[in-house]
Amino acid sequence: NAGVTQTPKFRILKIGQSMTLQCTQDMNHNYMYWYRQDPGMGLKLIYYSVGAGITDKGEVPNGYNVSRSTTEDFPLRLELAAPSQTSVYFCASSYSGVGWEKLFFGSGTQLSVL
Amino acid sequence: EDQVTQSPEALRLQEGESSSLNCSYTVSGLRGLFWYRQDPGKGPEFLFTLYSAGEEKEKERLKATLTKKESFLHITAPKPEDSATYLCAVQAVRETSGSRLTFGEGTQLTVNP
Repeated sequence: NAGVTQTPKFRILKIGQSMTLQCTQDMNHNYMYWYRQDPGMGLKLIYYSVGAGITDKGEVPNGYNVSRSTTEDFPLRLELAAPSQTSVYFCASSYSGVGWEKLFFGSGTQLSVL
Repeated sequence: EDQVTQSPEALRLQEGESSSLNCSYTVSGLRGLFWYRQDPGKGPEFLFTLYSAGEEKEKERLKATLTKKESFLHITAPKPEDSATYLCAVQAVRETSGSRLTFGEGTQLTVNP
């Protein structure tokens, strides 16, 4: 049982480049999330989705885009990368309804923008 | 704005030396408070949910408690494998199901053998 799988694990981008962080889950969860984690800071929610075709902004959405065409996949798109986007990105998923707050996280993508 | 403050930032214990981690929160109507464990290079792993003041949850050497202003994670007779960063998070009642948790910065716990 793979759980939540993120790719790539590491990436270095140049300023202005674009990339997509991939996230897939095999637990048939309706809810999916993207968080970023900066050193000494708490996890910040970027975008979330409560089901295929439904997405909404979190706390720090600027500079990012998402789509949710299937239950399993929730890719995060970075357009025109900036140094402020250097961070560790975590994708997570959870059940809908009671117990939704038990998030299952992937192992993260460490991104550096230089 | 919801806020979560964890203390201490780092804690070093000897194996068997019990202690507590603190999570202070400010939220306009608490729906729930959550504890996660994060090992280096990995994503957080869910530990507990607490919904109301006075509630307690236990798992092995860990016990989480909740008051109206803070939560404590008590670690009894810790072992080296308990070394990790412990994260606290809250959700406000105004937040819909499946939306935002507000996380604290975490307490990095090291247990020496």
